[in-house]
Amino acid sequence: EAGVTQSPTHLIKTRGQQATLRCSPISGHTSVYWYQQALGLGLQFLLWYDEGEERNRGNFPPRFSGRQFPNYSSELNVNALELEDSALYLCASKPAIYEQYFGPGTRLTVT
Amino acid sequence: AQSVTQLDSQVPVFEEAPVELRCNYSSSVSVYLFWYVQYPNQGLQLLLKYLSGSTLVESINGFEAEFNKSQTSFHLRKPSVHISDTAEYFCAVSLPYSGNTPLVFGKGTRLSVIA
Repeated sequence: EAGVTQSPTHLIKTRGQQATLRCSPISGHTSVYWYQQALGLGLQFLLWYDEGEERNRGNFPPRFSGRQFPNYSSELNVNALELEDSALYLCASKPAIYEQYFGPGTRLTVT
Repeated sequence: AQSVTQLDSQVPVFEEAPVELRCNYSSSVSVYLFWYVQYPNQGLQLLLKYLSGSTLVESINGFEAEFNKSQTSFHLRKPSVHISDTAEYFCAVSLPYSGNTPLVFGKGTRLSVIA
């Protein structure tokens, strides 16, 4: 069974640009979660999608947004990039209940 | 709201020595508890989980954790560590009743195993 996949592995953008990160969940998993792992800040919950709808979002500004497609893959968009957006962005998928399964992450660097 | 405190940000230990990584949580309701491990330049992997039942849970690679409700703790232990255990370890909680709530993570403990 293939695990959670994320693309790209690395992404370098300049301040003010937009970044798009992609995630494909494990087959059969309908929920996708996005987390930000910034240096010194630990892992913080960003967004949760289930069955194509946004179910919850963490304490992040509206320039962090995303969507979930009919095949349950998901996209995270970050607009008007700021230097502090530099982080590892992790996607996780989940079956109905219990633990989340994480992808390898996308390392976003904003210069 | 739930919160997780990992008391040690870094733990150096010699190979074959025992180790304990501490985790305390705060919640007004019962929670599910997890330990995840992150090897360098990789994503998170589930190490073990406590959902209900026996308070002592074990992983396949020799780690164990014990849920202590009175002390609101879920410490991770291994009796003899290996170089390959060098990684960052995250304790996390989630609410059980809906099953679909986000994980709340501690800030992580970096375990460094010294040869």
